Amino acid sequence: GQSLEQPSEVTAVEGAIVQINCTYQTSGFYGLSWYQQHDGGAPTFLSYNALDGLEETGRFSSFLSRSDSYGYLLLQELQMKDSASYFCAVSSAPGSSASKIIFGSGTRLSIRP
Amino acid sequence: DTGVSQDPRHKITKRGQNVTFRCDPISEHNRLYWYRQTLGQGPEFLTYFQNEAQLEKSRLLSDRFSAERPKGSFSTLEIQRTEQGDSAMYLCASSPRGGLSTDTQYFGPGTRLTVL
Repeated sequence: GQSLEQPSEVTAVEGAIVQINCTYQTSGFYGLSWYQQHDGGAPTFLSYNALDGLEETGRFSSFLSRSDSYGYLLLQELQMKDSASYFCAVSSAPGSSASKIIFGSGTRLSIRP
Repeated sequence: DTGVSQDPRHKITKRGQNVTFRCDPISEHNRLYWYRQTLGQGPEFLTYFQNEAQLEKSRLLSDRFSAERPKGSFSTLEIQRTEQGDSAMYLCASSPRGGLSTDTQYFGPGTRLTVL
């Protein structure tokens, strides 16, 4: 089957750095994405990794290791507005009979002053 | 506003009734997805379309659920004979890319369904 695991909750201090991990099991892996969702809001895209390595977008970075079936989202210079749920998502190769998109259960990030 | 829109935003219905939701994707996007999300969980994939063709459908989607995208633009999701377990947020997303990938998906605000 296909599954993703990420921590359910993380707490961090404003201005600090936090890392949210994601491990996955899937057939025909295609890519790993991260989404942010504030309470009552819709998920918004943060980053996408198809190849191993680090992708940086402003204060957010995402890392992927395909050999380890592992990725993480790194948030730097945390701000109160970063308090939200963060989801990793994977899909198998497009067009395959087993292809579908799987989201993790989400990590609720709480920022303390 | 050129984002993904969904209608209605909220729907309260009685068990056994049929409901229909509409999604209007970003105009140049040919991929459209439907998800269901319950409190404390991630979006659960239901189905997706490339233009008007429904290319993937989750095995979790019972026969009571049907989705259409007749002209390759807006889409509708219908739930027949609603059950209390159908209460959830129904999210629509669109993507400009081909293939079932997790490249950028743009989500709409969702339709919150409550089945009494």
